[in-house]
Amino acid sequence: EVQLVESGGGLVQPGGSLRLSCAASGFTFSSYEMNWVRQAPGKGLEWVSYISSSGSTIYYADSVKGRFTISRDNAKNSLYLQMNSLRAEDTAVYYCARDENFDYWGQGTLVTVSS
Amino acid sequence: DVVMTQSPLSLPVTLGQPASISCRSSQSLVYSDGNTYLNWFQQRPGQSPRRLIYKVSNRDSGVPDRFSGSGSGTDFTLKISRVEAEDVGVYYCMQGTHWITFGQGTRLEIK
Repeated sequence: EVQLVESGGGLVQPGGSLRLSCAASGFTFSSYEMNWVRQAPGKGLEWVSYISSSGSTIYYADSVKGRFTISRDNAKNSLYLQMNSLRAEDTAVYYCARDENFDYWGQGTLVTVSS
Repeated sequence: DVVMTQSPLSLPVTLGQPASISCRSSQSLVYSDGNTYLNWFQQRPGQSPRRLIYKVSNRDSGVPDRFSGSGSGTDFTLKISRVEAEDVGVYYCMQGTHWITFGQGTRLEIK
């Protein structure tokens, strides 16, 4: 069974940093592209970042470019999102999602940016 | 950026009745490989999104056959033939042809 479990969310002050993790199981992680998608409270879905299966190709939404860094460790079946210079508007539930077609999603981890 | 516009944004439906959600894109979603990368997702209250339909009309495993997707080019539709209580939630279209954008979401509720 495919499972994606996010962790690392929490309360952080504006300008602070946080690192999210997504632990994958039930499939060959190294064969799949991965994405991060976020959802602000009461709002819709916003794609954040993409990483290819090898990690060689990476893309970001303009709203996070230069502040967020996506990475992966295929040996540990894990996906990461390093978030720096956080702003109030980054407050959201962050989901990892498998593949370019988003076929499986995790349960999400809440990031709250507030003083 | 490709803009995805869903309508209606709110959809009250009587149990057992059909429902239809429209999704229009600002550009054609036909990719150079001939595929159209238009997906539909369901997000039940308090849950993460779940993919229902991929590439316009392909139903995911475990998705009831009362859900169907259709359309082409810039105009797409998700239909539910007979709404059940478990269908309550927000439905999103998403295009993956010109990078990735989501529609605003359509909230389905029982009348």
